[in-house]
Amino acid sequence: ELKVEQNPLFLSMQEGKNYTIYCNYSTTSDRLYWYRQDPGKSLESLFVLLSNGAVKQEGRLMASLDTKARLSTLHITAAVHDLSATYFCAVDKGNQFYFGTGTSLTVIP
Amino acid sequence: DVKVTQSSRYLVKRTGEKVFLECVQDMDHENMFWYRQDPGLGLRLIYFSYDVKMKEKGDIPEGYSVSREKKERFSLILESASTNQTSMYLCAIRYGGADNEQFFGPGTRLTVL
Repeated sequence: ELKVEQNPLFLSMQEGKNYTIYCNYSTTSDRLYWYRQDPGKSLESLFVLLSNGAVKQEGRLMASLDTKARLSTLHITAAVHDLSATYFCAVDKGNQFYFGTGTSLTVIP
Repeated sequence: DVKVTQSSRYLVKRTGEKVFLECVQDMDHENMFWYRQDPGLGLRLIYFSYDVKMKEKGDIPEGYSVSREKKERFSLILESASTNQTSMYLCAIRYGGADNEQFFGPGTRLTVL
């Protein structure tokens, strides 16, 4: 069974600071996805990473993929309150998605 | 834009009741999925479907069944609801193409008393 681990599970950070969320997975995979979830809402797609070395950026968020290390990172630059949410990574294997447990991010003024 | 709707945002049922959760998509996507989401456990796949009348078990199918009689509609059925099925239920469809990502509906928060 494919396992996907995220850390940290909870993250409290001050506005303006940088931080990285890590996503490790246990077997090879072609694709990795990052989602955002606001409280009480559904999941919203952030990034799709399709190959080793892929890097994508949107605003203050940047995601990267290292398929050899089976690791993806989501880097937050100069955090703002609007980024407070839960972030999930998901790995695509055999037409199924396997999700991490999520990282709950709180950005404090 | 793809639209995935779920029949209820909030639902309260009693133990032993039969519960139907409906998911409807407005495009012609073949792959549809049902997940449940619980704190600390992430999303767990219950069932998925590749096409009409096709279904596959996910990681936690016990206590659930599904129905896909039409391509646009995928129903999750709790035959006899129990309190441990209190959860957020999310339906998703899968795009084709290179990205092949999943797009989620708004979710149904089910409480079983």
